[in-house]
Amino acid sequence: DTGVSQNPRHKITKRGQNVTFRCDPISEHNRLYWYRQTLGQGPEFLTYFQNEAQLEKSRLLSDRFSAERPKGSFSTLEIQRTEQGDSAMYLCASIPTGESTEAFFGQGTRLTVV
Amino acid sequence: AQSVAQPEDQVNVAEGNPLTVKCTYSVSGNPYLFWYVQYPNRGLQFLLKYITGDNLVKGSYGFEAEFNKSQTSFHLKKPSALVSDSALYFCAVRPGGYQKVTFGTGTKLQVIP
Repeated sequence: DTGVSQNPRHKITKRGQNVTFRCDPISEHNRLYWYRQTLGQGPEFLTYFQNEAQLEKSRLLSDRFSAERPKGSFSTLEIQRTEQGDSAMYLCASIPTGESTEAFFGQGTRLTVV
Repeated sequence: AQSVAQPEDQVNVAEGNPLTVKCTYSVSGNPYLFWYVQYPNRGLQFLLKYITGDNLVKGSYGFEAEFNKSQTSFHLKKPSALVSDSALYFCAVRPGGYQKVTFGTGTKLQVIP
């Protein structure tokens, strides 16, 4: 257990529905990342927060995706009008202050869109 | 743009034999390099990192990796493989001064008893 918590662990939803995932990072970590991982692929960067500020977003993050990190603590990732192509593992990672530190990953939320 | 290549989708090795999982990278400036391991239906676990200094870095569970700047490689090694090492291994790179970490596509390591 890395100390990064993600909920739910699994989510099955019907196409067109909205879903929201939550990530609770390690409390003293100021940086938080969201990644998406599909079967047989490495994690793909989605977005990055430093404290409450969302500093970078991938082009993979279409307008159906939105992420927040109010007060620089937990973060949520919402997908609106889900599509089958959104089925993936969504990973959250947090990193403490410092230039060279490694990321601590949660166990992920597996989304299945039917 | 930064990128990571893991040329082998799968590596098979007999238990007790040495193992190598290959990684090459492309990045502007000085790289920070990482190896992570992933077990089924789990998140990624950090193994080791190269920041600066000695080209051979040691990490968790007896793993080590050798940074080679001229070949832009960061291969993961272990002198004697265990069946429990069977998992998916990811190499990752982050350019110094930047925050985005880029991962390779992963290499499945199968250690055969």
